[in-house]
Amino acid sequence: DAGVTQSPTHLIKTRGQQVTLRCSPKSGHDTVSWYQQALGQGPQFIFQYYEEEERQRGNFPDRFSGHQFPNYSSELNVNALLLGDSALYLCASSLERGQVRQYFGPGTRLTVT
Amino acid sequence: DAKTTQPPSMDCAEGRAANLPCNHSTISGNEYVYWYRQIHSQGPQYIIHGLKNNETNEMASLIITEDRKSSTLILPHATLRDTAVYYCIVRVGDLRNTDKLIFGTGTRLQVFP
Repeated sequence: DAGVTQSPTHLIKTRGQQVTLRCSPKSGHDTVSWYQQALGQGPQFIFQYYEEEERQRGNFPDRFSGHQFPNYSSELNVNALLLGDSALYLCASSLERGQVRQYFGPGTRLTVT
Repeated sequence: DAKTTQPPSMDCAEGRAANLPCNHSTISGNEYVYWYRQIHSQGPQYIIHGLKNNETNEMASLIITEDRKSSTLILPHATLRDTAVYYCIVRVGDLRNTDKLIFGTGTRLQVFP
């Protein structure tokens, strides 16, 4: 049973560019959450998707957007990249009902130069 | 969500018990205490959770004080592989997994030989 997978593993972008990160949830999970983790900090919640809709959102600007597909996989898009967007981006999956834990992927390390 | 306070770092000898404290003095009656850990360069991993009773699983034990204002995560026989950042999180809900996880900066546990 594959766990949560994310791609790519690492990514280097230039300021002002756009980036798309991808996440495949654990088999059977229907909810995907995205987190941003700056160096030395705990993960910060970006948003959560369920039934292809954004259900909750953290304190992140509209430059951060997402999508969930019918197969429950998800994308995180960041426009107009800033140096401060450099971070580890984590995807977590869970069942909307019946589970108490979130399963995290290994993350995508984004570096903005 | 209630905030938590954890010591920034702790050391533990291999084979000994590691006791990681967490203060959550503003916790509400319907909020659970969750523990996750993050080994370097990996996504966070669920460890254990509880409401008011002590809990034990194959990874750890969770001791919650009677007033629920603090808790302790116990790793009974720490190994070098337990070296990680440990996060104490409080959140509402058990059967519905809709709520985001709010991470602090956690406790960096260093297990030494």
